[in-house]
Amino acid sequence: EIVLTQSPGTLSLSPGERATLSCRASQSVSSTYLAWYQLKPGQAPRLLIYGASSRATGIPDRFSGSGSGTDFTLTISRLQPEDFAVYYCQQYTTSPLTFGGGTKVEIK
Amino acid sequence: QVQLQESGPGLVEPSQTLSLTCTVSGGSISSGTSYWSWIRQPAGKGLEWIGRIYSSGSTNYNPSLKSRVTMSIDTSRSQFSLKLSSVTAADTAVYYCARGVTQHWAFDIWGQGTMVTVSS
Repeated sequence: EIVLTQSPGTLSLSPGERATLSCRASQSVSSTYLAWYQLKPGQAPRLLIYGASSRATGIPDRFSGSGSGTDFTLTISRLQPEDFAVYYCQQYTTSPLTFGGGTKVEIK
Repeated sequence: QVQLQESGPGLVEPSQTLSLTCTVSGGSISSGTSYWSWIRQPAGKGLEWIGRIYSSGSTNYNPSLKSRVTMSIDTSRSQFSLKLSSVTAADTAVYYCARGVTQHWAFDIWGQGTMVTVSS
C-alpha cells in the first residue's frame, strides 16, 4: 500500500498569503493518478486537481498542482476567505487507492 | 448536473450490518468512463477508500475491509449500495459516495455524506 504523508498538519496563514501544501508518497506515484481535494464541514468534498497539475472544472487559477515521483505540491497563490479548509491528496497508482492524512489551512 | 445522495440508517448496532444506498441523479450511472465508490471519514481522522463498483457489477475492495464489504449496483434505479458486516465502534464515520473518472481515477462528484454511528 502506498502511504501518502502530508505536511504540515496545520498551516496558519492570513487571507492574501500564499499556501504551499506537501504530499509525499512512500513509493513512486504516477502523476496521472495524483489528485487533491478540499473538504469543508457539512459540504461535499471538492476535487481541485487531478493528474497532479490539471485543475478540475470550475476551480480558480489560484489553485495549482505540481510534482512527480514521490513529491507533490498544492499551491494556493493568494488565499481567499473561502479557501480555509482541509486539503487531501490521493493516489491510485496501485491498489488500494489511498489518501493522505490532510493539511488544515486555518486563518492566522 | 450529476448529483449523488446517500441514504440509510444513522445508527447501527455492534455486530450488525451497515447498509447504505447512493442515488445518482442528473446523469447516467452506466457511463463507461465512470466508476462508483464509497469512502469514509471517522471523526477527526482522514479519508479511507472502501471500494468501487462499475456499472457492469465488477468490484474492487480495500483489502483492509474486503472480508466485510459487499457492493452492488442497480442501474435501473440509478443506485449503488454498500453493505459492511460485523460492524464495531471503529466503523463509526461519515460515509460518502463518489463518482470516479476512469481516465485519472479521481473523484469528481461526491455526495454530502451521511453520518453512521455504531452503538447499542
